[in-house]
Amino acid sequence: GQNIDQPTEMTATEGAIVQINCTYQTSGFNGLFWYQQHAGEAPTFLSYNVLDGLEEKGRFSSFLSRSKGYSYLLLKELQMKDSASYLCAVKDSNYQLIWGAGTKLIIKP
Amino acid sequence: DAMVIQNPRYQVTQFGKPVTLSCSQTLNHNVMYWYQQKSSQAPKLLFHYYDKDFNNEADTPDNFQSRRPNTSFCFLDIRSPGLGDAAMYLCATSRQSGANVLTFGAGSRLTVL
Repeated sequence: GQNIDQPTEMTATEGAIVQINCTYQTSGFNGLFWYQQHAGEAPTFLSYNVLDGLEEKGRFSSFLSRSKGYSYLLLKELQMKDSASYLCAVKDSNYQLIWGAGTKLIIKP
Repeated sequence: DAMVIQNPRYQVTQFGKPVTLSCSQTLNHNVMYWYQQKSSQAPKLLFHYYDKDFNNEADTPDNFQSRRPNTSFCFLDIRSPGLGDAAMYLCATSRQSGANVLTFGAGSRLTVL
């Protein structure tokens, strides 16, 4: 079967750095997405990785290792507004999106 | 602003009473999706349309149906809602098929009494 694993919940301090990991086992791979979802709201697109390496976009970076079936989202200079769930999703060989259940990130002052 | 709009944002219904949720988009995207998301769970794809080509996921219950009368609008019909259907229903669009970047609406939260 296809599976995306993420930690259920993480806590971090305002101003700090946090890394949210995602491991996947899918039938093929055609890219990995990270979405942010605030409580009660719709997911919004953060990043897309299809090649190995680090993609940086402001305070957020996303890393991919296809050989390890592994990605992480790195959030720097955390702000209270970063409190949200972060969803990892993989595009499989049929170009279907396989979603993780999300990691709830709690930011403390 | 171009966007995806869902109505209603909150819907309360009684057990077995039909519900219709709507989604409209001004992005002129070819593909529209309906997802069901329960608390702390991954979004679950119910249907998607590539233009008017309808695709029903294999495990979508018969209780759920969808219509896309034109490029801009899509509807989700729940014929006889059960308690287990209480969830957030998310509409999303993408420019092309192949699960490119999705633009989501704000969601419709369904409560079943």
